[in-house]
Parts: sequence; C-alpha cells; structure tokens
Amino acid sequence: DVKVTQSSRYLVKRTGEKVFLECVQDMDHENMFWYRQDPGLGLRLIYFSYDVKMKEKGDIPEGYSVSREKKERFSLILESASTNQTSMYLCASSSPWRGWGEQYFGPGTRLTVT
Amino acid sequence: GQQLNQSPQSMFIQEGEDVSMNCTSSSIFNTWLWYKQDPGEGPVLLIALYKAGELTSNGRLTAQFGITRKDSFLNISASIPSDVGIYFCAGDNNNDMRFGAGTRLTVKP
Repeated sequence: DVKVTQSSRYLVKRTGEKVFLECVQDMDHENMFWYRQDPGLGLRLIYFSYDVKMKEKGDIPEGYSVSREKKERFSLILESASTNQTSMYLCASSSPWRGWGEQYFGPGTRLTVT
Repeated sequence: GQQLNQSPQSMFIQEGEDVSMNCTSSSIFNTWLWYKQDPGEGPVLLIALYKAGELTSNGRLTAQFGITRKDSFLNISASIPSDVGIYFCAGDNNNDMRFGAGTRLTVKP
C-alpha cells in the first residue's frame, strides 16, 4: 500500500511565524503535490514537484514556498504565516507513468493561524 | 483554474439505497478519478478511469468515464453506514488536474 505521511495532524501558529509542513512518501514516486482545502473551494494546488530540487507553482503559490531535497520528502513553508492561511493542507504523490491522475494523499494537517 | 461541476452537493439516504453522483466539465479529460474523504482525513482513491466509455467497479462502487470525456459518474449500490463521507471527482488532462467540490453523503441506519 502507498503510504503518504504528514508531520503533524494539527498545528496552531501565530501570525508572522515561519511554518514548516513536512510530507514523506514511501512509494518512490517522482511527483509530489501540496494542496490546501477550504470549505466551498475544494482542493487547490499550491506547488508541485516532478523530481528532486524541482518545483513548479500551482494555482495559489503566493505566501508559500517548497523544498524537495530528497525524492521521498516534500516540504511546504509558510514564510510568515497569516490568518488567511488557516486551512487543511494535503500532501499527495503519484508516479509519472500514470500522469498526475492516481494521486495518493496524506492524512492532512489542519493549520490554524491566530 | 476551472474546477469541475459535481452534483449533488449533498445526499441524505437510507441504508440499503443506491446512490448516484456525477461530475461534468467544459473541458476534455484523459483520466477521471473518484476519491472518498472521511472527516479529518485525506482523500482515498476509489476508482481510476483511463478510457472514454470505460466502466469500472470496486466492490459496491461503479464508475464510468463519459463517452464525451467531459463527464464521469459514480454509483454506490446498497449503501451502508460506513459509506458516509465526502466523495470527490477529479479529472486529469496532461498533468492539469482539477477537482470537484465534493458530494457529502449521509446514510441513515
């Protein structure tokens, strides 16, 4: 079974703090993704990565950055957290021979910025 | 980017009933997928479809890739309480993936 894990299930941070969300997958997938999920807006892509040290902006990259130093690990960084970044953050991975389609998701990190 | 149109938004059904939901788009997709998300958890892949007209089952779940490549359908037969959750459709077209807003399913015992 594909396993995608995220470092925290719940996080509470203060405005202005630097926040790191970590994601690890154990299926040797090349593709990794970060989404945020908000009620009524569905899943929105923040950043994705095709390979180590490679990253591409998604639909809503503003206020975020990412790091992929190892194939299995993809980190999402909030340089200076703001209250409008309170959300559920989901990491996913997929193998490129299936396109982006068969994405496997982690359990999510519910981030609250106060 | 444009998300997919998924309906209905929510369903309240009795245990044992069948369920149908669908997803439509103005764009063509090469792949259609259906996910289920339990409260506080990440989405879990249920079914992936790769060919127009394809009909695929996974237990009591059956999904179809619409012949126009612009829509997909998910059916759940003989629903049970653990079917409760949010069901998402997703379409992928050359590494441009879009999601539906989800159908929230409630099953009354």
